[in-house]
Amino acid sequence: EAQVTQNPRYLITVTGKKLTVTCSQNMNHEYMSWYRQDPGLGLRQIYYSMNVEVTDKGDVPEGYKVSRKEKRNFPLILESPSPNQTSLYFCASKLTSGGADEQFFGPGTRLTVL
Amino acid sequence: GNSVTQMEGPVTLSEEAFLTINCTYTATGYPSLFWYVQYPGEGLQLLLKATKADDKGSNKGFEATYRKETTSFHLEKGSVQVSDSAVYFCALNTNAGKSTFGDGTTLTVKP
Repeated sequence: EAQVTQNPRYLITVTGKKLTVTCSQNMNHEYMSWYRQDPGLGLRQIYYSMNVEVTDKGDVPEGYKVSRKEKRNFPLILESPSPNQTSLYFCASKLTSGGADEQFFGPGTRLTVL
Repeated sequence: GNSVTQMEGPVTLSEEAFLTINCTYTATGYPSLFWYVQYPGEGLQLLLKATKADDKGSNKGFEATYRKETTSFHLEKGSVQVSDSAVYFCALNTNAGKSTFGDGTTLTVKP
């Protein structure tokens, strides 16, 4: 089944404890992206990657890191999480970096930082 | 930068009512426009899209037309069902890789 998977689905952690949220897609998509969803703010793009070893900042990149060493994986790293990073995170992928392609979303990761 | 503005929600309708959710955008160049739907506890999924001016996207009875002159992409459905209750997001993509989403509109349809 074609899908985007994220792990973990739920995570409660404490301020300053490094964490990684994994994202993997099995559709051979070139483009991958991370978003956070907050009430009243919609989805905001954190980072995106147009291909392996190519990453770029979205609208809210502060406090996050990403890497794209393989085509299928695009982990999101929070090196020192803070409470304002409590949010619902979505990974997405699409076939190419072209604007016409629709994105396929993972099921989401709900992160709470205490 | 780019932006997407959706009509504020929540929207509550009776079954079989007509639905309109307004969406306007600002962007440089010629973006592609999308409507995504999010059901409770799930990720977003594509509802419909339009990639150039005057294109009409349609799916499951929903429609939206890409209006360049008014920079709009309003979502419509002639007769909503209880199963249409969800959060709807308008979004745009540019060829530069960035994606911009609206704030989302929560629709509740009552029997």
